[in-house]
Amino acid sequence: KAGVTQTPRYLIKTRGQQVTLSCSPISGHRSVSWYQQTPGQGLQFLFEYFSETQRNKGNFPGRFSGRQFSNSRSEMNVSTLELGDSALYLCASFQTGNTDTQYFGPGTRLTVL
Amino acid sequence: AQSVAQPEDQVNVAEGNPLTVKCTYSVSGNPYLFWYVQYPNRGLQFLLKYITGDNLVKGSYGFEAEFNKSQTSFHLKKPSALVSDSALYFCAVSISGTYKYIFGTGTRLKVLA
Repeated sequence: KAGVTQTPRYLIKTRGQQVTLSCSPISGHRSVSWYQQTPGQGLQFLFEYFSETQRNKGNFPGRFSGRQFSNSRSEMNVSTLELGDSALYLCASFQTGNTDTQYFGPGTRLTVL
Repeated sequence: AQSVAQPEDQVNVAEGNPLTVKCTYSVSGNPYLFWYVQYPNRGLQFLLKYITGDNLVKGSYGFEAEFNKSQTSFHLKKPSALVSDSALYFCAVSISGTYKYIFGTGTRLKVLA
């Protein structure tokens, strides 16, 4: 099976712009989670989707939003970008059931100038 | 509040020697515990997990971890380190029934030839 894919891999934006990141989960996985990784804050949970519904949300401002489509693909959007949004954004998909293990994509490196 | 601690920012070990990367957790309920590894410019790769059962869990690439409920620890171990094991290691915990992971701050493992 193909792994979790994320596009684009690298992105450069300027302050005030908005950005959309995409994640395609492993085939058959219906849950998708998003994390932000920065050197200072480490890995922080953004949100988790299952069957197009947001089930869990982390402590991020409303500028961070996401959605999931009927084919389980997910997007996250960050509006009004700030310098501090520069990070590696990781997507993970779940095979629910006995395993409950997340499998991560390679990430999207966002740089805000 | 739930938390995961990785007390060492960096661990240095000589090739061929045993290695240990420490992790302690604080959660209410039954924890699911995980170890992931991250190589430069890559996403997180799953190594192993503890859900229930035997306290000693074996995972990928010769790694194992021991769950100790009384000490609330889940240390990662390998009998003989390889230079290629050099990477960033993350411990994570989730609570059964939720799909939000809490990650430790990461430990950089450096295996010296």
